Amino acid sequence: SAVISQKPSRDICQRGTSLTIQCQVDSQVTMMFWYRQQPGQSLTLIATANQGSEATYESGFVIDKFPISRPNLTFSTLTVSNMSPEDSSIYLCSVLRDSPQETQYFGPGTRLLVL
Amino acid sequence: DQQVKQNSPSLSVQEGRISILNCDYTNSMFDYFLWYKKYPAEGPTFLISISSIKDKNEDGRFTVFLNKSAKHLSLHIVPSQPGDSAVYFCAAINTGTASKLTFGTGTRLQVTL
Repeated sequence: SAVISQKPSRDICQRGTSLTIQCQVDSQVTMMFWYRQQPGQSLTLIATANQGSEATYESGFVIDKFPISRPNLTFSTLTVSNMSPEDSSIYLCSVLRDSPQETQYFGPGTRLLVL
Repeated sequence: DQQVKQNSPSLSVQEGRISILNCDYTNSMFDYFLWYKKYPAEGPTFLISISSIKDKNEDGRFTVFLNKSAKHLSLHIVPSQPGDSAVYFCAAINTGTASKLTFGTGTRLQVTL
């Protein structure tokens, strides 16, 4: 498995502000992802964080709203910019391990409430 | 378009009995399936997986069955324990393309005493 930590674990933010969420993995991984789980819904992939290049965003998500950094193979950040109450969600970092079998592991999540 | 569906949003099972969680998918290109368990305020935890070349995979109390012709998989937990109470997500992936999981909407399992 993989040990993944996220900071902060939760936050309450005001509308119009931005929050940066950090994800740290205990070992180098090629693929890191950022997901969102809105209340009562499934996990939705926001983007794939690519090391050394721009993140790959899924349909409905843009870099201006969710800028992502991936400076090395063990760390990534997701910023939620210009927040609105609709951004209230759990944000999850995830990594892919392909040994012994391809499996994706998740961090504990960051619970965000935007007022 | 919901490619992975978990049609039962919730399930209640008595302790010691079998829990059966179902998942259906529409994309025939999916060739690897995973189940995750999620407790409140925690991230999803990987539980068990199955490749499309198999029809059954067992790990302790957890068994996953895959019926490719029906595009259906199920997770069996036996015997169910109160600690199994959580939300269970089914996920699928086409390993031949970019590794991107598609999740179902989850089933909340409640194991009662």
